[in-house]
Amino acid sequence: DQQVKQNSPSLSVQEGRISILNCDYTNSMFDYFLWYKKYPAEGPTFLISISSIKDKNEDGRFTVFLNKSAKHLSLHIVPSQPGDSAVYFCAAPRSGGYQKVTFGIGTKLQVIP
Amino acid sequence: GAGVSQSPSNKVTEKGKDVELRCDPISGHTALYWYRQSLGQGLEFLIYFQGNSAPDKSGLPSDRFSAERTGGSVSTLTIQRTQQEDSAVYLCASSSGLAGGETQYFGPGTRLLVL
Repeated sequence: DQQVKQNSPSLSVQEGRISILNCDYTNSMFDYFLWYKKYPAEGPTFLISISSIKDKNEDGRFTVFLNKSAKHLSLHIVPSQPGDSAVYFCAAPRSGGYQKVTFGIGTKLQVIP
Repeated sequence: GAGVSQSPSNKVTEKGKDVELRCDPISGHTALYWYRQSLGQGLEFLIYFQGNSAPDKSGLPSDRFSAERTGGSVSTLTIQRTQQEDSAVYLCASSSGLAGGETQYFGPGTRLLVL
């Protein structure tokens, strides 16, 4: 049962344009979401998060939007840079009273110079 | 240490051999997680530690997999009688274990290849 879904395995964007990465979830109990970025041969690194009490969180070029009614979140990168080329994972803590996090399968972003 | 470290960074082994993978979490982090990422797949949760206890082992794929954590710090993931399908990147992460400390910090991973 994949509770966090990233339906686009890959995305290509021209440098300077907007990158939009999407994530859907099924568990309405999720109340916190995170995005991680992973370069090849490295572990994932935390990028940005959002609490369910908000519908938007912005950090520089990165903005995450949360639509609770649609159980959908998206990560916007503006403007996209070649260094943003990586795999992006959407993640959500699972229920159970502890910090077990469910990850999506990732979206590979390629920013073309 | 400054970050999560894992060793070895790469491991090549023959089918049927046992392997041990080590994780050193960020100092003071009480929560520790093991994941694996097989080729073309997402992150697969294996096991979670809070302190030295493992309240959730549900992700371990078979009884050939085991993990322990001693002193609330270093963790070892052991795979017995390795199979080719065990080939993957094994990632360790730690978090503060406190409310609001959901962010997990990952190590660079151990790339395991079973021939």
